[in-house]
Amino acid sequence: DTEVTQTPKHLVMGMTNKKSLKCEQHMGHRAMYWYKQKAKKPPELMFVYSYEKLSINESVPSRFSPECPNSSLLNLHLHALQPEDSALYLCASSQGKGRDGYTFGSGTRLTVV
Amino acid sequence: SQQGEEDPQALSIQEGENATMNCSYKTSINNLQWYRQNSGRGLVHLILIRSNEREKHSGRLRVTLDTSKKSSSLLITASRAADTASYFCATDPPSRDYKLSFGAGTTVTVRA
Repeated sequence: DTEVTQTPKHLVMGMTNKKSLKCEQHMGHRAMYWYKQKAKKPPELMFVYSYEKLSINESVPSRFSPECPNSSLLNLHLHALQPEDSALYLCASSQGKGRDGYTFGSGTRLTVV
Repeated sequence: SQQGEEDPQALSIQEGENATMNCSYKTSINNLQWYRQNSGRGLVHLILIRSNEREKHSGRLRVTLDTSKKSSSLLITASRAADTASYFCATDPPSRDYKLSFGAGTTVTVRA
């Protein structure tokens, strides 16, 4: 299995809602990532988990809360988002520190209304 | 953070033609990676070239790396409509574990 699976593919949420994005990989990768991508821009790193521990938080607002329940799963909990948080959220995984490349999921298209 | 600059920003070619895009970066690297992104989808890893390599091939893709000029190029030969996508270079700096730096991307349109 060489895939990273993200659910849902699309999500529309109100500014007072709480929702979660999910990501799963079964490649035995020990690093997992959340990226945010706005239209016509490159992906921007949000969080990195290494061996199920939060390794990097790129000064992301607390309305985004990551969670890594086990080595295969990564969640991103969303609460009180703003319309400017609307974007494509990408999950990725890598073996080690990513020196052999990353595997990305298809993304969740999030719209905050 | 964005380290790479890509050139051109957009490219339109006829099916069967070759497409070349360039990537320049600022700091030393472990490797440089190229990704493809179809509209609204995730990134697909195309090819990785290490800092001690100068050229690499994968199918219709040819990547070169010139570390003295801090630049790389991606050539897609005999392009197809399915190659229509955005292409991103990403550098892996030795001083920044887990932090790929993406270029701004080149949007390639292949006309039938």
